[in-house]
Amino acid sequence: EDQVTQSPEALRLQEGESSSLNCSYTVSGLRGLFWYRQDPGKGPEFLFTLYSAGEEKEKERLKATLTKKESFLHITAPKPEDSATYLCAVQNDNYGQNFVFGPGTRLSVLP
Amino acid sequence: SAVISQKPSRDICQRGTSLTIQCQVDSQVTMMFWYRQQPGQSLTLIATANQGSEATYESGFVIDKFPISRPNLTFSTLTVSNMSPEDSSIYLCSVEGDRNEQFFGPGTRLTVL
Repeated sequence: EDQVTQSPEALRLQEGESSSLNCSYTVSGLRGLFWYRQDPGKGPEFLFTLYSAGEEKEKERLKATLTKKESFLHITAPKPEDSATYLCAVQNDNYGQNFVFGPGTRLSVLP
Repeated sequence: SAVISQKPSRDICQRGTSLTIQCQVDSQVTMMFWYRQQPGQSLTLIATANQGSEATYESGFVIDKFPISRPNLTFSTLTVSNMSPEDSSIYLCSVEGDRNEQFFGPGTRLTVL
């Protein structure tokens, strides 16, 4: 059974204080690993897709990396507007398999 | 990315009633998905809806409780039937993008009294 865990559950940073969020996964065959941002009361917003170990993607202050067992979302010099819940999800490479989401990390960036 | 809208955005319903949630996409898509997000929890897939075929339900979800329609390539509905307070959740629809990613609607916040 595919499983996704995320740590920490919650993270408080000062503005400008860089850190990383972890997503650990177990899947029989990885089709893709996906990162989303979710603001309160809204649907998840797509950030990145990673397909294979060693791959990296960047967007503004965010950088996602992937190994065979986990993914990291690095946040460099965060700003208060980066405060949100960050979700990762995996998709199995069997056609028709759907997303399995992790529980998320609640990030708060204080000014 | 697709633009997705949902109606209603929120509702408060009485126990035992049913609510139908609509999901509209601005482009034709093959697969649409329905998720539930219970308070403080992550997303759980309810079912996958393909146009022209019966929806495929995940373990723990049944058609009698969550009937789904998919009349065309831009629209789907999810009905939450015979509601109880345990059905209070955010219900989200999503569509698959060109590279297996999913794009989500804004969600429908349901409260059952």
